[in-house]
Amino acid sequence: AQSVTQLGSHVSVSEGALVLLRCNYSSSVPPYLFWYVQYPNQGLQLLLKYTSAATLVKGINGFEAEFKKSETSFHLTKPSAHMSDAAEYFCAVAGSGGYQKVTFGIGTKLQVIP
Amino acid sequence: EPEVTQTPSHQVTQMGQEVILRCVPISNHLYFYWYRQILGQKVEFLVSFYNNEISEKSEIFDDQFSVERPDGSNFTLKIRSTKLEDSAMYFCASSQRRDSGANVLTFGAGSRLTVL
Repeated sequence: AQSVTQLGSHVSVSEGALVLLRCNYSSSVPPYLFWYVQYPNQGLQLLLKYTSAATLVKGINGFEAEFKKSETSFHLTKPSAHMSDAAEYFCAVAGSGGYQKVTFGIGTKLQVIP
Repeated sequence: EPEVTQTPSHQVTQMGQEVILRCVPISNHLYFYWYRQILGQKVEFLVSFYNNEISEKSEIFDDQFSVERPDGSNFTLKIRSTKLEDSAMYFCASSQRRDSGANVLTFGAGSRLTVL
């Protein structure tokens, strides 16, 4: 079974500041990990994914995440926050090897302060 | 870019009524899913569907729920007798079959169901 824990249901950063959204995973098999973003009144959009290749994964809109097996973490970062980054971010996990359902974390709402 | 489309975007219904939510997955995808998100809560897995049958379902997906792929394009979620607690955003998703590799889901924009 797989699960993710997102630390901090709400995160506020100033425009231009570093964004750090935390995610820790639990998986009985090598995991695949994802970050999805949800803008107000919209669906879920894939930001980036880790699929056992490079441990540092770059995604859209300047976001990146690093897979750290020793820490069971997959934190999402962006060097400089933009107002348009305000959204809800979901960490998700699936088991590797063919079809596996994706399990989501509770989400972190990112507020960007001008 | 191919997308998953869902209809209706918002439906209001009376408790006890039947509701059908519709989804058109990406045409070359073979796995289909329904997730739901109650306001302010996490995105929860309901059911996955492959090769015209349910491949996995959660505890939430009880006898009140059913899914169907009536033709080559639509994928529907039916709630037989809605309850107040069924009020949520329902997301359809689809993915390609991969023997090895990440199961990347593409989500639709969601159907908001309000049960009064």
